[in-house]
Amino acid sequence: GAVVSQHPSRVICKSGTSVKIECRSLDFQATTMFWYRQFPKQSLMLMATSNEGSKATYEQGVEKDKFLINHASLTLSTLTVTSAHPEDSSFYICSARDGLQETQYFGPGTRLLVL
Amino acid sequence: GESVGLHLPTLSVQEGDNSIINCAYSNSASDYFIWYKQESGKGPQFIIDIRSNMDKRQGQRVTVLLNKTVKHLSLQIAATQPGDSAVYFCAVMNSGYSTLTFGKGTMLLVSP
Repeated sequence: GAVVSQHPSRVICKSGTSVKIECRSLDFQATTMFWYRQFPKQSLMLMATSNEGSKATYEQGVEKDKFLINHASLTLSTLTVTSAHPEDSSFYICSARDGLQETQYFGPGTRLLVL
Repeated sequence: GESVGLHLPTLSVQEGDNSIINCAYSNSASDYFIWYKQESGKGPQFIIDIRSNMDKRQGQRVTVLLNKTVKHLSLQIAATQPGDSAVYFCAVMNSGYSTLTFGKGTMLLVSP
């Protein structure tokens, strides 16, 4: 099946710093990528949808200036958490979809801890 | 908006039993349904999907049933194994919007 990778798998940072998370589709071209956030014992909440070469579409309540998304190529999307605060600590998961199919394939997630 | 819920937050079974995980959805326009398995600290793993023009689909040891009349979806796992222990999420999509909405999740605990 399709493989999606994320890097880093976990990151610890100080409050006020910015953190960049990469999401790559390894064996297919992802016309659309999605970023989710998951708090402990909760479901996945969609943050934003990005299409290659265009601006991301953010879900209601997600600050686009805080969570910067770049989808510069068909195999790479990045999420940058700017000026991170402890409440941003969460599990961030990306998924990617081949434009020819509806199935989304998920990355392994990135655990962010902001101190 | 869409809401997707699960009837049982935790399901405990014995190894070898059959497991049934249920999911209810609210939007009758939903036309694509997926079950994902998520192990602790990992991303969701695709298990099986079904489209609204079907009411049953089978995979290896798994079966998904769709009842559009009552907007209900279930995942059946045959001969459940300890390795099946995980959180299972249903997700639904309205193709017109192309985004998935996830249910709350059911934790499946399989005892040897």
